[in-house]
Amino acid sequence: NAGVTQTPKFRILKIGQSMTLQCAQDMNHNYMYWYRQDPGMGLKLIYYSVGAGITDKGEVPNGYNVSRSTTEDFPLRLELAAPSQTSVYFCASSGWGSSYEQYFGPGTRLTVT
Amino acid sequence: AQKVTQAQTEISVVEKEDVTLDCVYETRDTTYYLFWYKQPPSGELVFLIRRNSFDEQNEISGRYSWNFQKSTSSFNFTITASQVVDSAVYFCALSAPGNQFYFGTGTSLTVIP
Repeated sequence: NAGVTQTPKFRILKIGQSMTLQCAQDMNHNYMYWYRQDPGMGLKLIYYSVGAGITDKGEVPNGYNVSRSTTEDFPLRLELAAPSQTSVYFCASSGWGSSYEQYFGPGTRLTVT
Repeated sequence: AQKVTQAQTEISVVEKEDVTLDCVYETRDTTYYLFWYKQPPSGELVFLIRRNSFDEQNEISGRYSWNFQKSTSSFNFTITASQVVDSAVYFCALSAPGNQFYFGTGTSLTVIP
């Protein structure tokens, strides 16, 4: 099992550019999550999904979009990148929802300049 | 509203000392779950423990122990005989069934050899 994988590991974007952060899991988990981690701020939930075809907003969804067409994949789309989106992005999955532990990917470090 | 407070931003201890990381939470739910995660310098998030609100038994796992007290809304984490490999950022998190995870801002632990 690879667990949760994320690509790319690092990326530099110019203001106004768009990109998709990829996330995949091979544990057959229904629940998947996207977080951002800013220095000294802990993790904030951007979007989450309780199964293929179902997504919902988290605490900080503005400027992002997601889709979930398969159980395995949960890509995060950044449209019109802004410096405020400079952060480390973590994808996570869980087999049984928020009552159970989440397993995290290695993260994507994004810089917008 | 759910909230997790980790008041200790940074802690430094000398190797072999014991150290306790504090976590105070707020929730109106009667059923909820508490978690600790470790984020070593490499950046990944590692799950350490999950505790549900109906189980106040303390737990010990090797040099790690957790003290859950509903009366004070605290879920503290103690490392006994600390080692350099314990140097990391530690996050406490709270969730309730069907709800999101809420992470504290983390405590950065440095163990000095």
